[in-house]
Amino acid sequence: AQTVTQSQPEMSVQEAETVTLSCTYDTSESDYYLFWYKQPPSRQMILVIRQEAYKQQNATENRFSVNFQKAAKSFSLKISDSQLGDAAMYFCAYRLRSGTYKYIFGTGTRLKVLA
Amino acid sequence: IAGITQAPTSQILAAGRRMTLRCTQDMRHNAMYWYRQDLGLGLRLIHYSNTAGTTGKGEVPDGYSVSRANTDDFPLTLASAVPSQTSVYFCASSSGTVSSPLHFGNGTRLTVT
Repeated sequence: AQTVTQSQPEMSVQEAETVTLSCTYDTSESDYYLFWYKQPPSRQMILVIRQEAYKQQNATENRFSVNFQKAAKSFSLKISDSQLGDAAMYFCAYRLRSGTYKYIFGTGTRLKVLA
Repeated sequence: IAGITQAPTSQILAAGRRMTLRCTQDMRHNAMYWYRQDLGLGLRLIHYSNTAGTTGKGEVPDGYSVSRANTDDFPLTLASAVPSQTSVYFCASSSGTVSSPLHFGNGTRLTVT
């Protein structure tokens, strides 16, 4: 069974600094997608970034980038130039490329941004 | 604005009562999902539907049922609510293409007393 692990329940970062949130997953499949979602206090779930497993190049979206290590089954999220608005819960998610349409989520990391 | 509408936003329910959480999407997405979010446990899949007329069980289906009579609606029913079903419930959808992310509703906070 596929599982997603986020080992950091909570992280803090100083405003304007860089922080990395970790995510590991367990799967026997070779082709899948990985996602990071942000959940601010409003409870809304917002897609931050996605990565296709067959692409070696790490995805980037403005200040957000990932470090995708397929062999290690690791998918960390780096936030550069952290802003107060980045404070939120961050969830890592996994989805197989084929077959079931299920998305599996990790337990989340709460990010605090210190002014 | 296209998206997912969930109702109600919040609800307090007595144990043993029946409750249906409503979910409607206007994006013509094939796949729809129900997740529950609990502190320390993240989001767990309750039920899903790959297309209208079909449904499947997720990680925590017990005590819940769903139906998918058409593309737009995916209601979640608690036949006889118990306190352990106190949670925030999210409905989500995806177009079904392999790279498509999930689109979420704003959630329903349910408290079972």
